[in-house]
Amino acid sequence: DGGITQSPKYLFRKEGQNVTLSCEQNLNHDAMYWYRQDPGQGLRLIYYSQIVNDFQKGDIAEGYSVSREKKESFPLTVTSAQKNPTAFYLCASSPIGRDLRSSNQPQHFGDGTRLSIL
Amino acid sequence: DQQVKQNSPSLSVQEGRISILNCDYTNSMFDYFLWYKKYPAEGPTFLISISSIKDKNEDGRFTVFLNKSAKHLSLHIVPSQPGDSAVYFCAASSNNAGNMLTFGGGTRLMVKP
Repeated sequence: DGGITQSPKYLFRKEGQNVTLSCEQNLNHDAMYWYRQDPGQGLRLIYYSQIVNDFQKGDIAEGYSVSREKKESFPLTVTSAQKNPTAFYLCASSPIGRDLRSSNQPQHFGDGTRLSIL
Repeated sequence: DQQVKQNSPSLSVQEGRISILNCDYTNSMFDYFLWYKKYPAEGPTFLISISSIKDKNEDGRFTVFLNKSAKHLSLHIVPSQPGDSAVYFCAASSNNAGNMLTFGGGTRLMVKP
């Protein structure tokens, strides 16, 4: 059964530490995305990648880094430079081309990782 | 500048009644709109979508209406059920951005038994 797996479900970080959130997909999608959700707020794009070994900054990339060495994997590192890292992080994937059939969903999401500061 | 806005952060309705969730957008390049539903500590799940060539799309209890001239869309849930209680996100995409989505801030729907 195809899908997106994010791990861990819950993550704790000490001040000054970098932490890496895992995202793996077996949907054979070319594009992958990282979003951040804060309480009462929508989804804000951190980084996205449309092809292996290439990625672009989203709206709130400062304090984050990513890599895309494999099509299936798009890990996100929350660095110590991110001053307010406590949030719910969501990974998504999609095909590159659009399919506007009404039953189609452009992006498929994982179940998220909640990051908290100790 | 938010290109997709959901002006109601929360909505409470009685079971069996209609729920109407609203969404406004400013970018005239958007041509495809979606609604996602999200439970706490889970990822969003796709609910329903509509292309700009239509003004209505229906799927069971869920109907999305699009008013292009007003740059407004709405999601109607009839009849509302307690299991519909969740956060609903409106999202939009444009032809020149592939499957990139711009999300609204979400509306928390509470359906009371």
